[in-house]
Amino acid sequence: DAKTTQPTSMDCAEGRAANLPCNHSTISGNEYVYWYRQIHSQGPQYIIHGLKNNETNEMASLIITEDRKSSTLILPHATLRDTAVYYCIVHIIQGAQKLVFGQGTRLTINP
Amino acid sequence: GAVVSQHPSRVICKSGTSVKIECRSLDFQATTMFWYRQFPKQSLMLMATSNEGSKATYEQGVEKDKFLINHASLTLSTLTVTSAHPEDSSFYICSAREVNEQYFGPGTRLTVT
Repeated sequence: DAKTTQPTSMDCAEGRAANLPCNHSTISGNEYVYWYRQIHSQGPQYIIHGLKNNETNEMASLIITEDRKSSTLILPHATLRDTAVYYCIVHIIQGAQKLVFGQGTRLTINP
Repeated sequence: GAVVSQHPSRVICKSGTSVKIECRSLDFQATTMFWYRQFPKQSLMLMATSNEGSKATYEQGVEKDKFLINHASLTLSTLTVTSAHPEDSSFYICSAREVNEQYFGPGTRLTVT
């Protein structure tokens, strides 16, 4: 699976949009971009995934650049409960299908 | 969404004893389950891939004789930490795959004294 690069930490004010970047310059054509988050001492929670089109669900939006070398996860109205470590993962859906986690971004939402 | 449970959520054991952790997919069948370990302030590290009815596939550096994995049914995988030592104290997380999605359990905190 391709490696990803994320900022170690970010801060965001409550109620504002949180934009979390991820670089995956070596992504291959059949690799998807997945986002998970982990709240302290809990298992990871799936947020969203995409291949090349932008995606939106009830939790977040995923913006993938046209060359697919980077993406941004957007939490439109961050709340204190969104404080967590966010992991960007690229991987192939077929085959081994194991998710390999990088270091992620520690997002802190401030009141 | 699909639910994965783990039992126990916390366990404290003495050095040299063995501990079994269960991972269950509650509302779906999972032919493949994964076991991760997470040390404080670190990311999740994949330990092994567990396939129902066959031997687990371990990641490089993970001792298969120390971390025994059994995936006897489509809804249950177990991880047994044998002869546990304090350095095995960690947060163990399982996940189960349904079609192309992977769902995670809440984790088990193991403390070896």
